[in-house]
Amino acid sequence: EAGVTQFPSHSVIEKGQTVTLRCDPISGHDNLYWYRRVMGKEIKFLLHFVKESKQDESGMPNNRFLAERTGGTYSTLKVQPAELEDSGVYFCASSPSVVWGREYEQYFGPGTRLTVT
Amino acid sequence: GQSLEQPSEVTAVEGAIVQINCTYQTSGFYGLSWYQQHDGGAPTFLSYNALDGLEETGRFSSFLSRSDSYGYLLLQELQMKDSASYFCAALVSGGYNKLIFGAGTRLAVHP
Repeated sequence: EAGVTQFPSHSVIEKGQTVTLRCDPISGHDNLYWYRRVMGKEIKFLLHFVKESKQDESGMPNNRFLAERTGGTYSTLKVQPAELEDSGVYFCASSPSVVWGREYEQYFGPGTRLTVT
Repeated sequence: GQSLEQPSEVTAVEGAIVQINCTYQTSGFYGLSWYQQHDGGAPTFLSYNALDGLEETGRFSSFLSRSDSYGYLLLQELQMKDSASYFCAALVSGGYNKLIFGAGTRLAVHP
């Protein structure tokens, strides 16, 4: 079974540019999460999809961030326009249906390291 | 706000035992998870405590005290491959429950 994959692994962009990050969850996982870790700080929750629906986007920093999950499969996170403080590692995680009862166990991807210069 | 505190770094030698503490301030707390992340890798799930007490899984054990809002991860018979970052994460209630992570503890195991 393939794990969670993220693309690209690294991205370096200039302030004001646009970047789109992609996450492919484990096949069949209804739940998809985006997190961000700024150097040395906590892994901060950004948002949660259940299938194609945004269930909780309370962690999204501002309206420069747009997440989508068309068809309930892969997800994209677009940052437009990027600012310096957006730099960090963006993680995606997935988990099966909530009926599974193990919401505390999420399967993470390796992350995308975003550097905004 | 909701937060978890854990030491930033811990150093130990091979074969030793190390304990990584985690204190939390959250509302709607269900339980405490631990994740391991090797440099450049994906965080991977280690354990979860919903009830007070010690849960043992091989060389790793995890403890929770709800009354003290405190937990720890205990790593025994340390190996070089245990060098990694360890994150505690609280499962908290919401429409759908979610994980709130700490800032991670970087464990360095030396020969």
